[in-house]
Amino acid sequence: NAGVMQNPRHLVRRRGQEARLRCSPMKGHSHVYWYRQLPEEGLKFMVYLQKENIIDESGMPKERFSAEFPKEGPSILRIQQVVRGDSAAYFCASSPPSRSGGGLIEQYFGPGTRLTVT
Amino acid sequence: AQSVTQLDSHVSVSEGTPVLLRCNYSSSYSPSLFWYVQHPNKGLQLLLKYTSAATLVKGINGFEAEFKKSETSFHLTKPSAHMSDAAEYFCVVSEEGDMRFGAGTRLTVKP
Repeated sequence: NAGVMQNPRHLVRRRGQEARLRCSPMKGHSHVYWYRQLPEEGLKFMVYLQKENIIDESGMPKERFSAEFPKEGPSILRIQQVVRGDSAAYFCASSPPSRSGGGLIEQYFGPGTRLTVT
Repeated sequence: AQSVTQLDSHVSVSEGTPVLLRCNYSSSYSPSLFWYVQHPNKGLQLLLKYTSAATLVKGINGFEAEFKKSETSFHLTKPSAHMSDAAEYFCVVSEEGDMRFGAGTRLTVKP
């Protein structure tokens, strides 16, 4: 079972361009989380998605950032009109469907995409 | 390369009693250390971080952690547990941007 895959691993964009980051969850996982890691900082939660649904986007910047997780294909984190401050590592994690009755769900992390805005 | 070990997979405390979640790390350089909490069906939330400033770090929700270089430890504590503290806690070591997660400690709080 392949782990969580993210591509590209490294992405360079000029200011004003769009960045698209892809995350393929582990087989059987229907939940995806996106995190941003700024230099010298920890992970910061951005958004939590299930297939075709945004569950929690409380960590997403209000403008230029969007995320989707379609019925088929990977989850996409899209950053429009990138600025230098968007330079960071972006991590995706996936988890299996929730068990009935709740309970804690393990997250499995991808290797991350390092975005550099020049 | 860095690594991190959370010594307890499960900790159970009574409400109002102290919490201790243990974390040991290894690192070649001066690492950054973090504690995260994950509540059911939620993303990870940063509790606190150590980045070579004060060795006693205060975080959110009354949690704190002490960096002890001689013991290579970064244990998480809270004086008095609350029911809402029941969650999974992750210790993370970061070195030059490369992160390593501990396996997690599940905290149960009994009424």
